[in-house]
Amino acid sequence: EEQLLESGGGVVQPGGSLRLSCAASGFSFGSYVMSWVRQAPGKGLEWVSIIGASGDTPYYTDSVRGRFTISRDNSKNTLYLQMNSLRADDTAVYYCARSVGYCNAGTCYRYFDVWGRGTLVSVSS
Amino acid sequence: EIVLTQSPATLSVSAGDRATLSCRASQSVSSNLAWYQQQPGQPPRLLIFAVSTRATGIPARFSGSGSGTEFTLTISSLQSEDSAVYYCQQYKNWPPYTFGQGTKLEIK
Repeated sequence: EEQLLESGGGVVQPGGSLRLSCAASGFSFGSYVMSWVRQAPGKGLEWVSIIGASGDTPYYTDSVRGRFTISRDNSKNTLYLQMNSLRADDTAVYYCARSVGYCNAGTCYRYFDVWGRGTLVSVSS
Repeated sequence: EIVLTQSPATLSVSAGDRATLSCRASQSVSSNLAWYQQQPGQPPRLLIFAVSTRATGIPARFSGSGSGTEFTLTISSLQSEDSAVYYCQQYKNWPPYTFGQGTKLEIK
């Protein structure tokens, strides 16, 4: 069974840092593009970041660019999100999600077919 | 950034009836649209991609349609377990990938 399991969430003060991990099992992790998606309490879904299968071409949503860093270790089947300079509006459940789709003329189009259960990040003083 | 607007915000439908959920894009997303279901306390689950293709294991009573900027998710023969929030997502223009704000479906 394809599974993703996030960890590393917790309570942190504004300006602090956290590193989230997402352990993958049941599929060939190193063959897939991966993303982080977050959901603030009682709110909708917000895409945060994506990384290529080999760890290349990371992209970020504007509100986290320069503060968050996505990375992966394919030898450990694990995806990471390093979060620095955390703000109250970063409070959310963070999901990792396998990103699949198709590529055409150098552009790829991806949706999210496998999701973890999420880990809660709470930024508060 | 492409904005997705879902309607209605809340929908209450009787078990056994049909529910129709809408998603409108601020510009064309061609056929690059997916739908997700999120039950309370659960992560999202992929229902449909490419407008109308059901994901693995999704029952045939879930169907998607539309093109360009107007899309519909139809759930026929509603069951109690269909009570959830449903999100559309576009993957035409990114970053960022964007989601609609969600439609909460209640089963009477």
